[in-house]
Amino acid sequence: EAGVAQSPRYKIIEKRQSVAFWCNPISGHATLYWYQQILGQGPKLLIQFQNNGVVDDSQLPKDRFSAERLKGVDSTLKIQPAKLEDSAVYLCASSLWGGKDTQYFGPGTRLTVL
Amino acid sequence: AQTVTQSQPEMSVQEAETVTLSCTYDTSENNYYLFWYKQPPSRQMILVIRQEAYKQQNATENRFSVNFQKAAKSFSLKISDSQLGDTAMYFCAFMRGGTSYGKLTFGQGTILTVHP
Repeated sequence: EAGVAQSPRYKIIEKRQSVAFWCNPISGHATLYWYQQILGQGPKLLIQFQNNGVVDDSQLPKDRFSAERLKGVDSTLKIQPAKLEDSAVYLCASSLWGGKDTQYFGPGTRLTVL
Repeated sequence: AQTVTQSQPEMSVQEAETVTLSCTYDTSENNYYLFWYKQPPSRQMILVIRQEAYKQQNATENRFSVNFQKAAKSFSLKISDSQLGDTAMYFCAFMRGGTSYGKLTFGQGTILTVHP
Protein backbone atom coordinates (compact mmCIF):
# COMPACT_ATOMS: atom_id res chain seq x y z
CA GLU A 1 0.00 0.00 0.00
CA ALA A 2 1.40 3.37 -1.01
CA GLY A 3 1.94 5.84 1.81
CA VAL A 4 1.20 9.54 2.05
CA ALA A 5 3.02 11.43 -0.68
CA GLN A 6 4.20 15.02 -0.39
CA SER A 7 5.99 17.39 -2.73
CA PRO A 8 8.27 19.16 -2.93
CA ARG A 9 10.56 17.70 -0.28
CA TYR A 10 12.52 20.92 0.10
CA LYS A 11 11.78 24.55 -0.72
CA ILE A 12 13.78 27.73 -0.19
CA ILE A 13 12.10 31.10 -0.76
CA GLU A 14 12.60 34.74 0.11
CA LYS A 15 10.30 36.38 2.65
CA ARG A 16 7.14 37.85 1.18
CA GLN A 17 7.13 35.26 -1.61
CA SER A 18 4.40 32.66 -1.93
CA VAL A 19 4.75 28.88 -1.78
CA ALA A 20 2.49 25.86 -2.17
CA PHE A 21 2.78 22.32 -0.87
CA TRP A 22 0.96 19.29 -2.22
CA CYS A 23 -0.23 16.15 -0.43
CA ASN A 24 -1.70 12.91 -1.74
CA PRO A 25 -3.17 10.80 1.09
CA ILE A 26 -3.46 7.05 1.30
CA SER A 27 -6.17 5.81 -1.04
CA GLY A 28 -9.54 5.59 0.68
CA HIS A 29 -8.61 7.79 3.62
CA ALA A 30 -11.35 10.32 4.29
CA THR A 31 -9.43 12.52 6.70
CA LEU A 32 -6.39 14.62 5.89
CA TYR A 33 -4.29 16.72 8.25
CA TRP A 34 -1.64 19.41 7.80
CA TYR A 35 0.82 19.91 10.65
CA GLN A 36 3.60 22.48 11.06
CA GLN A 37 6.75 21.30 12.81
CA ILE A 38 9.19 24.04 13.78
CA LEU A 39 12.73 22.85 14.48
CA GLY A 40 13.04 21.45 17.99
CA GLN A 41 9.28 21.32 18.60
CA GLY A 42 6.49 18.83 18.20
CA PRO A 43 4.12 19.13 15.24
CA LYS A 44 1.18 21.51 15.53
CA LEU A 45 -2.09 20.89 13.70
CA LEU A 46 -2.91 23.59 11.15
CA ILE A 47 -6.01 22.15 9.52
CA GLN A 48 -8.06 18.93 9.38
CA PHE A 49 -10.26 17.95 6.45
CA GLN A 50 -12.85 15.21 6.38
CA ASN A 51 -13.50 14.44 2.72
CA ASN A 52 -13.51 17.98 1.28
CA GLY A 53 -14.93 19.73 4.34
CA VAL A 54 -12.92 21.53 7.03
CA VAL A 55 -13.25 19.98 10.51
CA ASP A 56 -10.74 22.14 12.39
CA ASP A 57 -8.72 25.13 11.22
CA SER A 58 -8.52 26.95 14.54
CA GLN A 59 -4.71 27.14 14.47
CA LEU A 60 -4.34 28.10 10.82
CA PRO A 61 -3.05 31.71 10.38
CA LYS A 62 -5.76 32.59 7.91
CA ASP A 63 -4.28 35.96 6.97
CA ARG A 64 -1.47 34.18 5.12
CA PHE A 65 -2.19 30.46 5.05
CA SER A 66 -4.85 28.74 2.97
CA ALA A 67 -5.63 25.11 2.23
CA GLU A 68 -7.99 23.23 0.03
CA ARG A 69 -8.91 19.65 -0.65
CA LEU A 70 -10.77 19.48 -3.88
CA LYS A 71 -12.74 16.29 -4.62
CA GLY A 72 -11.83 14.98 -1.18
CA VAL A 73 -8.50 13.50 -2.25
CA ASP A 74 -5.36 15.61 -2.84
CA SER A 75 -4.73 18.73 -0.81
CA THR A 76 -2.72 21.90 -1.26
CA LEU A 77 -1.42 24.18 1.49
CA LYS A 78 -0.40 27.70 0.47
CA ILE A 79 1.47 30.45 2.25
CA GLN A 80 1.22 33.99 0.88
CA PRO A 81 3.22 36.03 1.80
CA ALA A 82 5.78 33.97 3.68
CA LYS A 83 7.49 35.21 6.83
CA LEU A 84 10.78 34.14 8.38
CA GLU A 85 8.91 32.37 11.20
CA ASP A 86 7.19 30.10 8.66
CA SER A 87 10.44 28.16 8.26
CA ALA A 88 9.45 24.66 9.33
CA VAL A 89 8.66 21.17 8.12
CA TYR A 90 5.09 20.84 6.87
CA LEU A 91 3.72 17.37 7.47
CA CYS A 92 0.67 15.89 5.84
CA ALA A 93 -1.11 12.94 7.43
CA SER A 94 -4.19 10.92 6.60
CA SER A 95 -6.47 8.53 8.45
CA LEU A 96 -9.25 6.21 7.41
CA TRP A 97 -11.91 8.33 9.04
CA GLY A 98 -11.10 10.55 12.00
CA GLY A 99 -10.91 10.58 15.76
CA LYS A 100 -8.67 7.86 17.14
CA ASP A 101 -7.97 6.26 13.75
CA THR A 102 -4.24 5.92 13.18
CA GLN A 103 -2.74 8.88 11.39
CA TYR A 104 -0.18 8.01 8.72
CA PHE A 105 2.35 10.72 8.04
CA GLY A 106 4.10 11.72 4.86
CA PRO A 107 7.83 12.57 4.66
CA GLY A 108 7.17 16.30 4.96
CA THR A 109 8.25 19.41 3.09
CA ARG A 110 11.09 21.39 4.63
CA LEU A 111 10.53 25.10 4.02
CA THR A 112 13.30 27.65 4.54
CA VAL A 113 12.33 31.34 4.35
CA LEU A 114 15.30 33.70 3.87
CA ALA B 1 -6.47 23.46 26.49
CA GLN B 2 -4.41 20.33 26.71
CA THR B 3 -0.65 20.37 27.18
CA VAL B 4 1.90 17.59 26.83
CA THR B 5 5.32 17.79 28.46
CA GLN B 6 8.36 15.66 27.77
CA SER B 7 11.04 16.62 30.26
CA GLN B 8 13.92 14.64 28.73
CA PRO B 9 15.29 16.42 25.63
CA GLU B 10 17.80 13.63 25.00
CA MET B 11 18.34 10.07 26.17
CA SER B 12 20.85 7.41 25.26
CA VAL B 13 20.96 3.66 25.81
CA GLN B 14 23.18 0.75 24.94
CA GLU B 15 21.95 -1.79 22.44
CA ALA B 16 19.92 -4.60 24.09
CA GLU B 17 19.25 -2.56 27.24
CA THR B 18 15.97 -1.05 28.43
CA VAL B 19 15.10 2.64 28.40
CA THR B 20 12.08 4.60 29.63
CA LEU B 21 10.90 7.89 28.14
CA SER B 22 8.72 10.15 30.28
CA CYS B 23 5.63 12.13 29.41
CA THR B 24 3.11 14.08 31.47
CA TYR B 25 -0.02 15.77 30.26
CA ASP B 26 -2.65 18.13 31.53
CA THR B 27 -6.33 17.89 30.64
CA SER B 28 -9.75 18.25 32.17
CA GLU B 29 -11.17 15.65 29.77
CA ASN B 30 -12.09 12.17 30.97
CA ASN B 31 -12.26 10.56 27.55
CA TYR B 32 -9.03 10.74 25.59
CA TYR B 33 -6.26 8.81 23.90
CA LEU B 34 -2.51 8.93 24.31
CA PHE B 35 0.07 8.03 21.72
CA TRP B 36 3.79 7.60 21.26
CA TYR B 37 5.11 8.43 17.80
CA LYS B 38 8.60 7.75 16.47
CA GLN B 39 10.29 10.08 13.99
CA PRO B 40 13.52 8.61 12.58
CA PRO B 41 16.08 10.91 10.95
CA SER B 42 14.31 10.45 7.59
CA ARG B 43 11.40 12.38 9.15
CA GLN B 44 8.48 10.03 8.47
CA MET B 45 6.47 9.88 11.69
CA ILE B 46 5.31 6.38 12.70
CA LEU B 47 2.83 5.36 15.40
CA VAL B 48 4.51 3.23 18.06
CA ILE B 49 1.73 2.60 20.55
CA ARG B 50 -1.69 3.88 21.60
CA GLN B 51 -3.48 3.91 24.98
CA GLU B 52 -7.18 4.55 25.52
CA ALA B 53 -7.77 6.41 28.77
CA TYR B 54 -10.74 4.28 29.81
CA LYS B 55 -8.64 1.11 29.65
CA GLN B 56 -6.77 0.35 32.85
CA GLN B 57 -4.51 -2.22 31.23
CA ASN B 58 -1.26 -0.80 29.91
CA ALA B 59 -0.79 -1.15 26.14
CA THR B 60 2.05 -3.26 24.76
CA GLU B 61 3.39 -3.72 21.23
CA ASN B 62 6.24 -6.23 21.05
CA ARG B 63 9.25 -4.52 22.69
CA PHE B 64 7.30 -1.35 23.45
CA SER B 65 5.08 -0.91 26.49
CA VAL B 66 3.59 1.99 28.39
CA ASN B 67 3.05 2.81 32.05
CA PHE B 68 -0.20 4.77 32.10
CA GLN B 69 -0.95 6.48 35.41
CA LYS B 70 -4.24 8.30 34.86
CA ALA B 71 -4.47 9.98 38.25
CA ALA B 72 -0.92 11.29 37.96
CA LYS B 73 -1.44 12.17 34.27
CA SER B 74 1.70 10.31 33.38
CA PHE B 75 2.33 8.21 30.28
CA SER B 76 5.83 6.74 29.95
CA LEU B 77 7.20 4.54 27.17
CA LYS B 78 9.47 1.58 27.92
CA ILE B 79 11.59 0.16 25.15
CA SER B 80 13.04 -3.26 25.94
CA ASP B 81 15.97 -4.90 24.14
CA SER B 82 16.83 -1.61 22.41
CA GLN B 83 17.96 -1.85 18.81
CA LEU B 84 19.97 0.52 16.65
CA GLY B 85 16.85 1.12 14.57
CA ASP B 86 15.13 2.59 17.61
CA THR B 87 17.32 5.68 17.28
CA ALA B 88 14.83 8.48 16.60
CA MET B 89 12.92 11.39 18.05
CA TYR B 90 10.00 10.16 20.14
CA PHE B 91 6.89 12.25 20.62
CA CYS B 92 4.17 11.79 23.18
CA ALA B 93 0.76 12.99 21.94
CA PHE B 94 -2.74 13.57 23.30
CA MET B 95 -6.08 13.36 21.50
CA ARG B 96 -9.49 14.25 22.88
CA GLY B 97 -11.95 11.38 22.58
CA GLY B 98 -15.58 11.10 21.66
CA THR B 99 -15.54 13.17 18.48
CA SER B 100 -14.37 12.97 14.90
CA TYR B 101 -11.73 15.59 15.65
CA GLY B 102 -8.36 13.99 15.22
CA LYS B 103 -6.21 16.79 16.54
CA LEU B 104 -3.02 15.45 18.08
CA THR B 105 -1.31 17.67 20.65
CA PHE B 106 2.36 16.75 20.73
CA GLY B 107 5.05 17.19 23.34
CA GLN B 108 8.43 18.68 22.52
CA GLY B 109 10.00 15.30 21.82
CA THR B 110 12.87 13.21 23.21
CA ILE B 111 15.85 12.33 21.04
CA LEU B 112 16.82 8.72 21.74
CA THR B 113 20.19 7.41 20.63
CA VAL B 114 20.93 3.70 20.80
CA HIS B 115 24.66 2.94 20.96
CA PRO B 116 26.19 -0.32 19.74
